[in-house]
Amino acid sequence: ETGVTQSPTHLIKTRGQQVTLRCSSQSGHNTVSWYQQALGQGPQFIFQYYREEENGRGNFPPRFSGLQFPNYSSELNVNALELDDSALYLCASSLALGQQNTEAFFGQGTRLTVV
Amino acid sequence: AQKITQTQPGMFVQEKEAVTLDCTYDTSDPSYGLFWYKQPSSGEMIFLIYQGSYDQQNATEGRYSLNFQKARKSANLVISASQLGDSAMYFCAMRERYSGGYQKVTFGTGTKLQVIP
Repeated sequence: ETGVTQSPTHLIKTRGQQVTLRCSSQSGHNTVSWYQQALGQGPQFIFQYYREEENGRGNFPPRFSGLQFPNYSSELNVNALELDDSALYLCASSLALGQQNTEAFFGQGTRLTVV
Repeated sequence: AQKITQTQPGMFVQEKEAVTLDCTYDTSDPSYGLFWYKQPSSGEMIFLIYQGSYDQQNATEGRYSLNFQKARKSANLVISASQLGDSAMYFCAMRERYSGGYQKVTFGTGTKLQVIP
């Protein structure tokens, strides 16, 4: 086990609703990244937070937003859910050391289904 | 151009044999990092190996080694002595840094490896 915990593990929402996914990073890790993985595809980078500030973002619209807390846990919020948002959402934590990150450890993911 | 290209959608390997999974990348960032991850059918993403762009030696982690050819922009994963438990999806990923420390990670489309007894 990696020590990265995501909740909930499964979620069903209706189109147009809002959702919040949570991630507890591995102890000592100050960086958290979120990914969306559609069925049969590779993960797509949503954004990354380092010490409570966003320091990286992929090609996702503003309705995907996030937060990182002082204890380095994180939330992913998605507003106005669309059917295409159905996917596995993965959180990964890592330790930023100067200009280098250590390897990222992933949680087990949250499977979101939008109906 | 694709940032990360994995040209093998699926691969078969005999148990105890070695297998090479291909990955090529494209970046203008001089300080990038390359990762390989394994994703079993259970869905969790498992870190295997990391290679930094300035690392002189090829990375190795147990039965995993990364054949890093910087000039050719390739970072192939070699798994020696394949085991049945190695059957999974394998993803190559690259981290790039932009001005101000901003960074982005890109994953390839993956290679499904099946180990045959």
